[in-house]
Amino acid sequence: DAGVIQSPRHEVTEMGQEVTLRCKPISGHNSLFWYRQTMMRGLELLIYFNNNVPIDDSGMPEDRFSAKMPNASFSTLKIQPSEPRDSAVYFCASSSLADYNEQFFGPGTRLTVL
Amino acid sequence: RKEVEQDPGPFNVPEGATVAFNCTYSNSASQSFFWYRQDCRKEPKLLMSVYSSGNEDGRFTAQLNRASQYISLLIRDSKLSDSATYLCVVKGSNTGKLIFGQGTTLQVKP
Repeated sequence: DAGVIQSPRHEVTEMGQEVTLRCKPISGHNSLFWYRQTMMRGLELLIYFNNNVPIDDSGMPEDRFSAKMPNASFSTLKIQPSEPRDSAVYFCASSSLADYNEQFFGPGTRLTVL
Repeated sequence: RKEVEQDPGPFNVPEGATVAFNCTYSNSASQSFFWYRQDCRKEPKLLMSVYSSGNEDGRFTAQLNRASQYISLLIRDSKLSDSATYLCVVKGSNTGKLIFGQGTTLQVKP
């Protein structure tokens, strides 16, 4: 079975550039989560969706970050403009609303902003 | 104060040892509790849920003390393959939001 798919796996960009991270959740899962992990702050929830609708975006750091989920099988996290402090590993996770507790994580996107 | 606090370690133990990790959480309204495992440069994966009565899965035992807002994980007969970071996680009711601790790193040595 395919797990959560994220692309790209690695991204190196320059400050000021737009970055788009992509996620395909596990088929049949109707909750999708975006996390960011850094050494300093650990793993933090940025935003999550239920049935493609954003439920809690209180973790989105600032207006430079935006996330969309146009359909049940695709989500994007966009950073515009990117800054060096955005460098982190970004994980996407999905779960079933019926079993909200177990979240399945993708392999992550390692973002470096120079 | 962080919502979920863990000793980052590292805990260096020999194979076969028993090791225990502890975690405290600040929100008394938290309803669900978990331990996730994260291998180096990999994604977190659910290790086990934690129930008020305590629960066991093979060599792993998890316990919850709601009064003290304290969660523990005990690993018996440590294996080299247990080397990883163990993340303590809490969740409120009616929300999908997981709050992760910073993790405790375990290194099991031969």
